[in-house]
Amino acid sequence: GAVVSQHPSWVICKSGTSVKIECRSLDFQATTMFWYRQFPKQSLMLMATSNEGSKATYEQGVEKDKFLINHASLTLSTLTVTSAHPEDSSFYICSVTGSSNQPQHFGDGTRLSIL
Amino acid sequence: AQTVTQSQPEMSVQEAETVTLSCTYDTSESDYYLFWYKQPPSRQMILVIRQEAYKQQNATENRFSVNFQKAAKSFSLKISDSQLGDAAMYFCAYRRDDMRFGAGTRLTVKP
Repeated sequence: GAVVSQHPSWVICKSGTSVKIECRSLDFQATTMFWYRQFPKQSLMLMATSNEGSKATYEQGVEKDKFLINHASLTLSTLTVTSAHPEDSSFYICSVTGSSNQPQHFGDGTRLSIL
Repeated sequence: AQTVTQSQPEMSVQEAETVTLSCTYDTSESDYYLFWYKQPPSRQMILVIRQEAYKQQNATENRFSVNFQKAAKSFSLKISDSQLGDAAMYFCAYRRDDMRFGAGTRLTVKP
């Protein structure tokens, strides 16, 4: 069965709208979750590491005020794309892991389309 | 920073034949993990195989096996008896604290 639940799977919205994506760990408590972005025909690029109860760690070049991450519980992390614009259109994927020696489990991703 | 390089953007194999996908990585660490993930058109990330760096023995999962050369920092994936369902994007990944991916190889399987 699924280990990670990501919602929504697809969202289309107007430019300037803020969009929230949820990532839930179903099988275990995850102190760390990861958010990736994947543009068409490209690889997954790590955006940020979400840490339960503390601030997220963002990769270089990722605007923390643009991509708000909240990891308020051990099973839920949210990514909010604020004031989204067409260039934010992409496939966003979250992943969770129980520990560093375990493989990451990925959500099914969210296709974000900004008109 | 760790980098993962997949030098083959596209590969093609005849059904039932064997194909090898290449991956190299750069790290100064001695303890880490390596993975191959498959991403079909549905864009799900499916774990194919994993390798612990401290293990010398190459990992094997049914038709999938790796050739792990730690000194050379090489981690290739061999797919034997290729099937039509193997067609997908394949990503090599390195993990220590977080996971980094290569650019991917698109595998086509010809009937």
